[in-house]
Amino acid sequence: DTAVSQTPKYLVTQMGNDKSIKCEQNLGHDTMYWYKQDSKKFLKIMFSYNNKELIINETVPNRFSPKSPDKAHLNLHINSLELGDSAVYFCASSQDRNQPQHFGDGTRLSIL
Amino acid sequence: DQQVKQNSPSLSVQEGRISILNCDYTNSMFDYFLWYKKYPAEGPTFLISISSIKDKNEDGRFTVFLNKSAKHLSLHIVPSQPGDSAVYFCAASFLSPSGNLIFGKGTKLSVKP
Repeated sequence: DTAVSQTPKYLVTQMGNDKSIKCEQNLGHDTMYWYKQDSKKFLKIMFSYNNKELIINETVPNRFSPKSPDKAHLNLHINSLELGDSAVYFCASSQDRNQPQHFGDGTRLSIL
Repeated sequence: DQQVKQNSPSLSVQEGRISILNCDYTNSMFDYFLWYKKYPAEGPTFLISISSIKDKNEDGRFTVFLNKSAKHLSLHIVPSQPGDSAVYFCAASFLSPSGNLIFGKGTKLSVKP
């Protein structure tokens, strides 16, 4: 009965590959987010989706693309992976912007 | 440029005493502030929040204080328990449709028995 679940938990791959991280929430929330926690431990917003519409898109490379097949899912696709993409990626959801965001347990991406 | 700053990377407190975690911000447009707690290998868990129209919010052992003139907020945990040992993140958001949270770097709290 996990509220926000991400798969996989660990992802090890080589530079240049394309990979996806899946996120699902069963809270009935309207907004979903992707955050990146870099080596300096900062959590930074990458994307958010509200009712299947992208409402923010921070300065991330266009190699990263969020895809939302329905309100409960927001997957993250990454093309042509680079060494600097190594990080922990967190998915989150909230009912609206005035409600707290609920986070998944993260996906640790390691680029060889 | 960090808009939300947690200047203490770590804090050690004795069980039963008060833990005070501090957070400073630079943007006066922030209107919503939150504290999250994070255990290793888990995602951040929401702890407590406060709107910019208030100066205090309390939930059990946790109280958040907001000083808008000083652009400062703090989280008080009383009494501290060993299970409170975790990394605590302060976060803030703007009045916007996105709900974009801006996080501080976190403070690692260790509560010793």
